[in-house]
Amino acid sequence: SQQGEEDPQALSIQEGENATMNCSYKTSINNLQWYRQNSGRGLVHLILIRSNEREKHSGRLRVTLDTSKKSSSLLITASRAADTASYFCATDEGNKLIFGTGTLLAVQP
Amino acid sequence: DAMVIQNPRYQVTQFGKPVTLSCSQTLNHNVMYWYQQKSSQAPKLLFHYYDKDFNNEADTPDNFQSRRPNTSFCFLDIRSPGLGDAAMYLCATSRDEEEQFFGPGTRLTVL
Repeated sequence: SQQGEEDPQALSIQEGENATMNCSYKTSINNLQWYRQNSGRGLVHLILIRSNEREKHSGRLRVTLDTSKKSSSLLITASRAADTASYFCATDEGNKLIFGTGTLLAVQP
Repeated sequence: DAMVIQNPRYQVTQFGKPVTLSCSQTLNHNVMYWYQQKSSQAPKLLFHYYDKDFNNEADTPDNFQSRRPNTSFCFLDIRSPGLGDAAMYLCATSRDEEEQFFGPGTRLTVL
């Protein structure tokens, strides 16, 4: 089953701009995670936010969580060309991670 | 460095010819997962081992099997690959229900 829907599906920005990606999910969660995937590669864990947290920061990343709206957002500030990748949100269902549809971010130099 | 290793990185097989993908980890994690990711889609969990307990997803085809001979290794066997099984196969590990660590994936091509 697919838990998360992400928007936009694709996002193209200039280097230095901020990128915001949104994720909506359907059921109650314990935590929500964001992953990054470079083309043809495995997933890299970026950040985990628990259901009792509203905002979390890690370097240039800022994640918010609104459990009442069942939504989360990932903000990448001061983007770089190297941030070009697909970004997935994932919610937990016991041991299972249910991934969203992903946002393809392209950062133009 | 502790990591999740997948071999081979690229695998080409013929329609109907059995293939085995391997995953090993040096993290000493007790949970290992296999995901299938088709082009431009989200990863989809096929099954996972929680310690020695095998947990199959309801919609995972019977064509897919898995073995975990010890904590460090886990194998994905595709008994009779079809064209629709061409995908990236991702292995991941975790300690209980904590963060999952992914390997680089094996890209499977079926001719």
